[in-house]
Amino acid sequence: DTGVSQNPRHKITKRGQNVTFRCDPISEHNRLYWYRQTLGQGPEFLTYFQNEAQLEKSRLLSDRFSAERPKGSFSTLEIQRTEQGDSAMYLCASSLSISPYEQYFGPGTRLTVT
Amino acid sequence: KNQVEQSPQSLIILEGKNCTLQCNYTVSPFSNLRWYKQDTGRGPVSLTIMTFSENTKSNGRYTATLDADTKQSSLHITASQLSDSASYICVVGGSNDYKLSFGAGTTVTVRA
Repeated sequence: DTGVSQNPRHKITKRGQNVTFRCDPISEHNRLYWYRQTLGQGPEFLTYFQNEAQLEKSRLLSDRFSAERPKGSFSTLEIQRTEQGDSAMYLCASSLSISPYEQYFGPGTRLTVT
Repeated sequence: KNQVEQSPQSLIILEGKNCTLQCNYTVSPFSNLRWYKQDTGRGPVSLTIMTFSENTKSNGRYTATLDADTKQSSLHITASQLSDSASYICVVGGSNDYKLSFGAGTTVTVRA
């Protein structure tokens, strides 16, 4: 399978714990995006990388959130001191910078904070 | 402020019937519009993409239309199948080539 993959697919954690999600983009894609989606809503942009550089962060990305893409390949999204409001689907997408319209999404990581 | 509005929020149709979903947007300047299909618990999958110069685009039983003057788009599903049950999301790209505006989606349920 050469699509975008995300792990884990589901994560249940207690409030206050830290969690980390991983995204592996399509191998030749140099852009990687993180989105958050709550029930009944469309995805909301969080941040994106071009290669290893994080070029934009949404205001939704509070200080408790951090994303990295150290080698310009896979990316991690960490949430520290999780809150119940963090419960959502976290989607990763990737694209080529020459065709940014063509974003391919991964299956998402469903986070539940209890 | 939500710049992409979709209607209806949800609909139920019988297998084999047709349906049309609507998308109105206020994103400006406009670059492109996409329709995605999202199965429950899965990531969105692109169905069609149109730029401002395109009026219609088909992908099998899915046909999207675009009126850039009125800033409206529709997605028509022909001869619906049970596997069409999903959320359909309208996504608009503006001046920033990376930042997309997503609608809340229309949930389609196809019943036998």
